[in-house]
Amino acid sequence: NAGVTQTPKFQVLKTGQSMTLQCAQDMNHNSMYWYRQDPGMGLRLIYYSASEGTTDKGEVPNGYNVSRLNKREFSLRLESAAPSQTSVYFCASSEWTGHEAFFGQGTRLTVV
Amino acid sequence: TQLLEQSPQFLSIQEGENLTVYCNSSSVFSSLQWYRQEPGEGPVLLVTVVTGGEVKKLKRLTFQFGDARKDSSLHITAAQPGDTGLYLCAGSRTGTASKLTFGTGTRLQVTL
Repeated sequence: NAGVTQTPKFQVLKTGQSMTLQCAQDMNHNSMYWYRQDPGMGLRLIYYSASEGTTDKGEVPNGYNVSRLNKREFSLRLESAAPSQTSVYFCASSEWTGHEAFFGQGTRLTVV
Repeated sequence: TQLLEQSPQFLSIQEGENLTVYCNSSSVFSSLQWYRQEPGEGPVLLVTVVTGGEVKKLKRLTFQFGDARKDSSLHITAAQPGDTGLYLCAGSRTGTASKLTFGTGTRLQVTL
């Protein structure tokens, strides 16, 4: 009953450090997404992968990179973290783009 | 600029009151979804509406999709403390790889 699993749950980074957020889904979904959530902004799409082997930019891609490692896994990398990237990050998956999205529990990232 | 604007941003009401949350856009969506998010969790789907003018009911929650498929509303009758949470609308526009775009969110608090 895992659904979408994100790691880590919490992370503190210093400005300039790099890190990778991991996401895996066990529902055999084709599409996967990374969102960030900031107060009063709802969820903003960073990158998405409509199907295995493809990735596309969302609304706020600057400062991030992604890798669709296989059908199950979709990682988000911050190469040089900035305080503006302090946020809660959610990974989600859906059968196809635009369909019901299933979310992980989120990663709370603080950049100091 | 957010594609989907929700109003109000915050709502604090007493148990038993009725309320309506609005989700508006200048764009046409092929479908619109409503999610509820509780603290520390990812959003969970409540309903999907796909036809202009469609009305769906989920116990005390009534969802409506605008005739022109540019807006939607969520009405809660006799709110209960268990309805407390962040309500998010999300739309999918027609086209290939039609990614899900989220609204700005409405934070609802229902007190005894």
